Amino acid sequence: DGGITQSPKYLFRKEGQNVTLSCEQNLNHDAMYWYRQDPGQGLRLIYYSQIVNDFQKGDIAEGYSVSREKKESFPLTVTSAQKNPTAFYLCASSSLGYTFGSGTRLTVV
Amino acid sequence: DQQVKQNSPSLSVQEGRISILNCDYTNSMFDYFLWYKKYPAEGPTFLISISSIKDKNEDGRFTVFLNKSAKHLSLHIVPSQPGDSAVYFCAASDQGGSEKLVFGKGMKLTVNP
Repeated sequence: DGGITQSPKYLFRKEGQNVTLSCEQNLNHDAMYWYRQDPGQGLRLIYYSQIVNDFQKGDIAEGYSVSREKKESFPLTVTSAQKNPTAFYLCASSSLGYTFGSGTRLTVV
Repeated sequence: DQQVKQNSPSLSVQEGRISILNCDYTNSMFDYFLWYKKYPAEGPTFLISISSIKDKNEDGRFTVFLNKSAKHLSLHIVPSQPGDSAVYFCAASDQGGSEKLVFGKGMKLTVNP
């Protein structure tokens, strides 16, 4: 079955630690995206990549980093510089329409 | 500056009645609009879309209306069912929907039995 997989579903980290969220797709989509959802804020774009080895900052890229070494994978690193990292993170890929993963809830304590 | 606005954070309707979810946009370059439905702790799922060359698109109980001159679209669900209870996001694109989407803040719909 084609789809997009985010892992883990729940993640806990101590403040000051970097953490990497995984996103893998087998839909052969060129474009991939990372969004963050906070209560009352909707979905805000963090980073996106339209092709392998290329990515662009979204609206709230500060404190995050990404890589796109393979078409199938678009990991997101939440660095210690991100001031409010606790959130629900959504990965998506697109080709004439978006497919979302099921999300990762990151809690920083 | 918010380009896609869902000004009402929530809506509660009775089962069997019509639900109307509204969305406004400011960017006149948007040419494709989508509605997504999201349950808690899950990713959004695509519901229905409309191109700017149309003013209405219907899919079963779901109809989306687009008023380009008013930069306004709405999603009608009729009849509403308890399983429709979710958060609904309006989204827009300026490249036919294949590039990055701009999302509204979402609206929580509750359908009461």
